[in-house]
Amino acid sequence: QVQLVESGGGVVQPGRSLRLSCTASGFTFSNYAMHWVRQAPGKGLEWVAGISYDGRDKYYAGSVKGRFTISRDSSQNTLSLQMNSLRAEDTAVYYCARDGYTYGLTYFDYWGQGTLVTVSS
Amino acid sequence: DIQMTQSPSSLSASVGDRLTITCRASQDISNYLAWYQQKPGKVPKLLMYATSTLQSGVPSRFSGSGSGRDFTLTISSLQPEDVATYYCQNYNGAPFTFGPGTKVDIK
Repeated sequence: QVQLVESGGGVVQPGRSLRLSCTASGFTFSNYAMHWVRQAPGKGLEWVAGISYDGRDKYYAGSVKGRFTISRDSSQNTLSLQMNSLRAEDTAVYYCARDGYTYGLTYFDYWGQGTLVTVSS
Repeated sequence: DIQMTQSPSSLSASVGDRLTITCRASQDISNYLAWYQQKPGKVPKLLMYATSTLQSGVPSRFSGSGSGRDFTLTISSLQPEDVATYYCQNYNGAPFTFGPGTKVDIK
């Protein structure tokens, strides 16, 4: 069965960096685009970044462009999110999500349990 | 960027009621719309995609319709387990924006 397990969350000071990881299993990782979606406490869902199945194409929300970098390692079945210059408004649960369409960039059919990032001094 | 709005922001209904949630895109997104259900304290779950295609395992009381800018999610007979927040999501190209959500509870 499809499993996505995030790690790397924690408390970090404003301006510092943090790297999130997502380990995938139960499907052919290299055939699917992957995404990060976040949810601030008590708020709605916000798509953060997506990466194509082959890693060639990367897309970002305007709120994180230039600060966050999405990457993937298909030899390790892992997805990463490097977050730099963190701000208080980046505080959220970060979900790793699989794209719902082989080779596409669309909706999200499987989600991890999420990892909490808290940006605070 | 395409903006998504939803109405109402919350609603309260009785078991067995028929509910409709509306989602509107700021521009034409064809049928590239998905709906998610997030129960309290849980991970979001895909309900349907391509406006009206139910994800495997989703009960048939859920249905979707629309195209272009205007879309609806309908629950034909509300059940206690449907208490959740529902989000629409545009996937007509990045950024893949979500609506603000509609919170549904039982009267």
